[in-house]
Amino acid sequence: GAVVSQHPSWVICKSGTSVKIECRSLDFQATTMFWYRQFPKQSLMLMATSNEGSKATYEQGVEKDKFLINHASLTLSTLTVTSAHPEDSSFYICSARRATPTYEQYFGPGTRLTVT
Amino acid sequence: AQKVTQAQTEISVVEKEDVTLDCVYETRDTTYYLFWYKQPPSGELVFLIRRNSFDEQNEISGRYSWNFQKSTSSFNFTITASQVVDSAVYFCALSEAYSYGGSQGNLIFGKGTKLSVKP
Repeated sequence: GAVVSQHPSWVICKSGTSVKIECRSLDFQATTMFWYRQFPKQSLMLMATSNEGSKATYEQGVEKDKFLINHASLTLSTLTVTSAHPEDSSFYICSARRATPTYEQYFGPGTRLTVT
Repeated sequence: AQKVTQAQTEISVVEKEDVTLDCVYETRDTTYYLFWYKQPPSGELVFLIRRNSFDEQNEISGRYSWNFQKSTSSFNFTITASQVVDSAVYFCALSEAYSYGGSQGNLIFGKGTKLSVKP
């Protein structure tokens, strides 16, 4: 089956620093990748949709200057949390949608971010 | 607007009991997909099933079965003879149909149902 990886799996950073999370589709090309955020004991909420080679589309209420998304290739999307604050602590999950033929979507294992 | 409701926040059963997790959805689309995912404590989402809106046949996979009823906009999930390893949070999700160059197909998740299976 298709595999999506995320790196790092967990990260602790200090308030004010930036953190980059990578999402890779390992054995397929993904024209579209999605970034979700999950707070403890809550559901997954879509943050943004990124298409290879173009700007990401952010959901309402998500600050695009704070959560920088880059989808530079068909197998890699990155989410950078800039000037992180404790309230950004969350579980970040990416998913990658296969380009063809079925447009199936596959989830990464998630990245747990803790901002101290 | 699309919406997924999982009314059961937490369910606790004893091993070997059958348990049904409810999912009700709202959408204006005529073509859409419904999903169930399992999220164990590790956090990684485990895909269980995807069903398109034109396929109302019930599905059985081992101890798992799904009942899709368009008339009531429900897509319920039943675990037969539950086991401790079934303990997890289960999410129902909805997406519009994929179309190349068109809709994005992102998933709308319900709030999840936490299932605890006690030995």
